[in-house]
Amino acid sequence: AQSVTQLGSHVSVSEGALVLLRCNYSSSVPPYLFWYVQYPNQGLQLLLKYTTGATLVKGINGFEAEFKKSETSFHLTKPSAHMSDAAEYFCAVTSYSTLTFGKGTMLLVSP
Amino acid sequence: KAGVTQTPRYLIKTRGQQVTLSCSPISGHRSVSWYQQTPGQGLQFLFEYFSETQRNKGNFPGRFSGRQFSNSRSEMNVSTLELGDSALYLCASSLGSAEETQYFGPGTRLLVL
Repeated sequence: AQSVTQLGSHVSVSEGALVLLRCNYSSSVPPYLFWYVQYPNQGLQLLLKYTTGATLVKGINGFEAEFKKSETSFHLTKPSAHMSDAAEYFCAVTSYSTLTFGKGTMLLVSP
Repeated sequence: KAGVTQTPRYLIKTRGQQVTLSCSPISGHRSVSWYQQTPGQGLQFLFEYFSETQRNKGNFPGRFSGRQFSNSRSEMNVSTLELGDSALYLCASSLGSAEETQYFGPGTRLLVL
């Protein structure tokens, strides 16, 4: 079985501050890991993914995440938050062809 | 390429009715997955179809069913609707391997009264 834990249902940052969204996973097989973003009344959009190879993965909109096998983590970061980053972020793991999602973290960005 | 499309975007039904939702995947994608999103339970996997066959199934009652056609378009059906079925239903398509990205549609928001 696989599972995902996202620490913090809400994270608040100021514009220009570092964004750090935490994700820990459990999987009985080598995982494929994803971060998706959801804006209000929209579907999910892929930010980045880790399958194999380099453990530091760069995605869209300046986001990146690092796969740390020893810590079973895949935290999402962005050096400088922008107002347009305000949205809900989901970490997901798959070892077959189904996605198991975390509960999501709502990112709030204040001016 | 056109993205994943879902119809209708919004639905209002009453308890006991049934509903059919439709999903058209990205051209060339053979896998279609369905997810239910609610404030309480988050995003939960319903089922996945690949080349017209159900390949994976989540932990939902038999009232939830689906199918996939030869052109990869998919439908899901919910019979005997309950209030708790009110949710955003998301469809995602991919090439079919686990490491492939699943591309999501905008969803169908179902309200059961």
